[in-house]
Amino acid sequence: QVTLKESGPALVKPTETLTLTCTFSGFSLRTSGMRVGWIRQPPGKALEWLARIDWDDDKFYSTSLKTRLSISKDTSKNQVVLTMTNMDPLDTATYFCGRIHPHGDFCDYWGQGTLVTVSS
Amino acid sequence: EIVMTQSPATLSVSAGERATLSCRASQSVGINLAWYQQKPGQAPRLLIYGASTRATGIPARFSGSGSGTEFTLTISSLQSEDFAVYHCQHYNDWPWTFGQGTKVEIK
Repeated sequence: QVTLKESGPALVKPTETLTLTCTFSGFSLRTSGMRVGWIRQPPGKALEWLARIDWDDDKFYSTSLKTRLSISKDTSKNQVVLTMTNMDPLDTATYFCGRIHPHGDFCDYWGQGTLVTVSS
Repeated sequence: EIVMTQSPATLSVSAGERATLSCRASQSVGINLAWYQQKPGQAPRLLIYGASTRATGIPARFSGSGSGTEFTLTISSLQSEDFAVYHCQHYNDWPWTFGQGTKVEIK
């Protein structure tokens, strides 16, 4: 079955770079049509798409955050890595990774999420 | 970037009653619209895609309708497990965006 799990630091300091890893199973990013995305949710607020990476290594980023984001994949490890530079307390959120449905642009499977707090 | 607006922010409903949630897009998204349910401390769960197609395992009491800029999620008879936050998301073009969510609470 499809599973995803996020990992990374729970606490980062302002101006630091955040690196999050999504480790998944049950599908492969070598398969045509497969994609993985990152979404975040500040406490009590709306969900926000951050980035996605496609099987063919196409990458897409949030318009407002694209200068700070980088997404990459390691198909041999079934992992997708998101980095976000210059972290700010406003970036405090739960960060989710999700599999994007191969025949539609929505997440059909989600990780449990990881809470990242930005504080000095 | 397309802005998704959900209403109301909070909906108070009794168990067994019907709930109707709205989602409006700032420009047409066709039927490229999904709905998710999210319970506290959990990840969202896909309910509806293509504006009206239920995802695998979703009960028939959940239904979606609409196209263009106006969409509706209807829960025909609320069960205790349906009290949650519901999010809409368009996927007409990148960047995909979510609405701010509607909380369905017990009246």
